[in-house]
Amino acid sequence: GQQLNQSPQSMFIQEGEDVSMNCTSSSIFNTWLWYKQDPGEGPVLLIALYKAGELTSNGRLTAQFGITRKDSFLNISASIPSDVGIYFCAGQSAGNNRKLIWGLGTSLAVNP
Amino acid sequence: DARVTQTPRHKVTEMGQEVTMRCQPILGHNTVFWYRQTMMQGLELLAYFRNRAPLDDSGMPKDRFSAEMPDATLATLKIQPSEPRDSAVYFCASGTGLAGMETQYFGPGTRLLVL
Repeated sequence: GQQLNQSPQSMFIQEGEDVSMNCTSSSIFNTWLWYKQDPGEGPVLLIALYKAGELTSNGRLTAQFGITRKDSFLNISASIPSDVGIYFCAGQSAGNNRKLIWGLGTSLAVNP
Repeated sequence: DARVTQTPRHKVTEMGQEVTMRCQPILGHNTVFWYRQTMMQGLELLAYFRNRAPLDDSGMPKDRFSAEMPDATLATLKIQPSEPRDSAVYFCASGTGLAGMETQYFGPGTRLLVL
């Protein structure tokens, strides 16, 4: 099925560093979502974006809905060990029965 | 703290056996989703229900997979017969109304290994 291009695939950083990851699509989306999955658990919604250009923060996390509506970015500032996990982007278009299209995830490891 | 619950959390079975996975959505949520997660394919939507009615099961192999909602508190996903390629983590998620497509709350998953 259709998938989003999410990058990077994995990251290994030092505690305290900032992190950036992004998702791109060939289709226009009306909604962009960012989820985090901890080991052995299901994905948990972090941030939802509904307007092109929108910038939304959730604590140390900030996400943006790209102007072209074909991309989105997630930034994590001052990373801490509990940020470890897999971060997924998901997009929703007006068509396609409003089903979410998922990226393959960015695996984040934080070295204390 | 309302959560989606799934049972079993782990399942090891032999090829050809029937597998049944159960999900209890969050009370009051009217949309239920079944996903399969693998390293290669990521999260794939298998099927989803709204108000217990199946809306889309195009992502599900029809010959061996079936999904039902016997009542508002129980969703089931069955595989019969199971095959090694079905080994994956199966997630159930629930949401509400039109916004349910975005704000999906996931369960902890059922980790299935078919030998």
